[in-house]
Amino acid sequence: QKEVEQNSGPLSVPEGAIASLNCTYSDRGSQSFFWYRQYSGKSPELIMSIYSNGDKEDGRFTAQLNKASQYVSLLIRDSQPSDSATYLCAVYGGSQGNLIFGKGTKLSVKP
Amino acid sequence: SQTIHQWPATLVQPVGSPLSLECTVEGTSNPNLYWYRQAAGRGLQLLFYSVGIGQISSEVPQNLSASRPQDRQFILSSKKLLLSDSGFYLCAGRSTPGGHLSAQYFGPGTRLLVL
Repeated sequence: QKEVEQNSGPLSVPEGAIASLNCTYSDRGSQSFFWYRQYSGKSPELIMSIYSNGDKEDGRFTAQLNKASQYVSLLIRDSQPSDSATYLCAVYGGSQGNLIFGKGTKLSVKP
Repeated sequence: SQTIHQWPATLVQPVGSPLSLECTVEGTSNPNLYWYRQAAGRGLQLLFYSVGIGQISSEVPQNLSASRPQDRQFILSSKKLLLSDSGFYLCAGRSTPGGHLSAQYFGPGTRLLVL
């Protein structure tokens, strides 16, 4: 069964630091990878997508993909208290076009 | 870009009562549609997905059913709610033309409490 693994956390970082969130996946044939942010009591919102090996930057967010190691990560630079949320990693997982979600990593940014 | 609408936002229902949650999509045609449930402090559980009108696939056996009467309408139903049906129900949609490049977008969710 295809799986996506994330450390559940909580990951606690001080304001202004870099937060590093990691995700591994089991399906070597996966082609698309997404990061979602979910605030408590709210629905997930898409923050990044990445399809090729390497880094993709968008503002304070950088997604990193290493298909050989089946590893995708999200870096948040200059972390702010407003970044405190659960971050979900999702991998496109099959012929039906369904995303497979990890259980999420809870991030807490301390002022 | 697509927008997912869900209602109601919050629902409190007695055990044994019926349920109907509706989801509609704007901004795209022939989307793949999904129903997820998220229990408190837990991950997303995929309940149903649909690739077209009348086409429903169930991921887990349960007390719920889904229907897609129109291209951009997806309904989650139950004839008799159980306590274990409590949770945060999320509808999501994904445009199909982009293939594996297309992201999935979520509606605001319905918080269901069964008492």
